[in-house]
Amino acid sequence: QQQVKQSPQSLIVQKGGISIINCAYENTAFDYFPWYQQFPGKGPALLIAIRPDVSEKKEGRFTISFNKSAKQFSLHIMDSQPGDSATYFCAASGYSTLTFGKGTMLLVSP
Amino acid sequence: EAGVAQSPRYKIIEKRQSVAFWCNPISGHATLYWYQQILGQGPKLLIQFQNNGVVDDSQLPKDRFSAERLKGVDSTLKIQPAKLEDSAVYLCASSPRTGGSTGELFFGEGSRLTVL
Repeated sequence: QQQVKQSPQSLIVQKGGISIINCAYENTAFDYFPWYQQFPGKGPALLIAIRPDVSEKKEGRFTISFNKSAKQFSLHIMDSQPGDSATYFCAASGYSTLTFGKGTMLLVSP
Repeated sequence: EAGVAQSPRYKIIEKRQSVAFWCNPISGHATLYWYQQILGQGPKLLIQFQNNGVVDDSQLPKDRFSAERLKGVDSTLKIQPAKLEDSAVYLCASSPRTGGSTGELFFGEGSRLTVL
């Protein structure tokens, strides 16, 4: 059973544009929602994370929007740059175990 | 601060052979994870250790996969015998947290396994 559903599978955005990736979860016990960024040949690295007591968190060009009632959260990348081209994974955890979405491959064209 | 170290980075084996992967977590991190990442998919948890005890191994195919974390530091993941569907990147991650929700996981670069 997939507990975290991520869309789209791939995304192409022009430089300077906004990239939006969406995730939905099923388990209401989840209380930690991170986004990880992965470059080819590297392990995932934490980009930004949110807990359900807030609806939005912003760090530089990256923003998480969180909708607890809809059980959805999204990543917005403002002013997307070619260096942002990578695979992005949403994830969710309750006690102890982190479950990942299937990933979104983002390509930012120059 | 040194990151999570994994070896080997690449391994090619025939099906039914065995393979072992090694992980050295960040110093002082109590929790260690092994994830399997099949091409085009998100990481899937295989096993989680806290110190040298197993916290979650519900998704570990125990008929062929085994893992240990002796002395609560380094860990090895073994596959015997390997199947074609085991071709994947095996990611090790560590975390300083010992309770509550996960917090940040620090990943190594992974060990890429190809089973022919």
